[in-house]
Amino acid sequence: SQQGEEDPQALSIQEGENATMNCSYKTSINNLQWYRQNSGRGLVHLILIRSNEREKHSGRLRVTLDTSKKSSSLLITASRAADTASYFCATDARDNQGGKLIFGQGTELSVKP
Amino acid sequence: KAGVTQTPRYLIKTRGQQVTLSCSPISGHRSVSWYQQTPGQGLQFLFEYFSETQRNKGNFPGRFSGRQFSNSRSEMNVSTLELGDSALYLCASSLTVVRGEQYFGPGTRLTVT
Repeated sequence: SQQGEEDPQALSIQEGENATMNCSYKTSINNLQWYRQNSGRGLVHLILIRSNEREKHSGRLRVTLDTSKKSSSLLITASRAADTASYFCATDARDNQGGKLIFGQGTELSVKP
Repeated sequence: KAGVTQTPRYLIKTRGQQVTLSCSPISGHRSVSWYQQTPGQGLQFLFEYFSETQRNKGNFPGRFSGRQFSNSRSEMNVSTLELGDSALYLCASSLTVVRGEQYFGPGTRLTVT
């Protein structure tokens, strides 16, 4: 399969705790992106990290990228019930002619109030 | 700016029929990508259009086709529907000069009976 792997597949935490999701991929990339999806709706872009970057922050989100291990992690700090959703990593492969993202299988996050 | 819109939102068809889904990108976006999402296969890339040209295509049979109009609106067509075509079909638009994030519509939920 071209798709990357994400773990864990499901994660359940209490409000206020941190949530960490991991993503591994298979090819050389231009960038890696994280998206959120609420209950079978459209995806919302969260953050993009380029292949020459190692870490990026956006609000309560922190993303790391290790191109030597072909892996990334997404950390959500001080989680809220509203963060309950599925989270997907997506890679823009280096040999991509454009517009094609390869998605992981996703992590289902449940944040309990 | 208005977001990506997709019509219809829900659709029920029977095997053997054909279906056309429509996507209007964010104003100014010239790239439109289509994805299929199913519980078993996850999010899979169908094709991408830029300036009315298909730039990239995923591994789907020829029953799946698409096109883009001069105003960047896009349609995808599935002919001879099969039960396995039941899925959420997502459209995304992007500013393609610099490869970056994609903006997704709410999706069309297609059920084939």
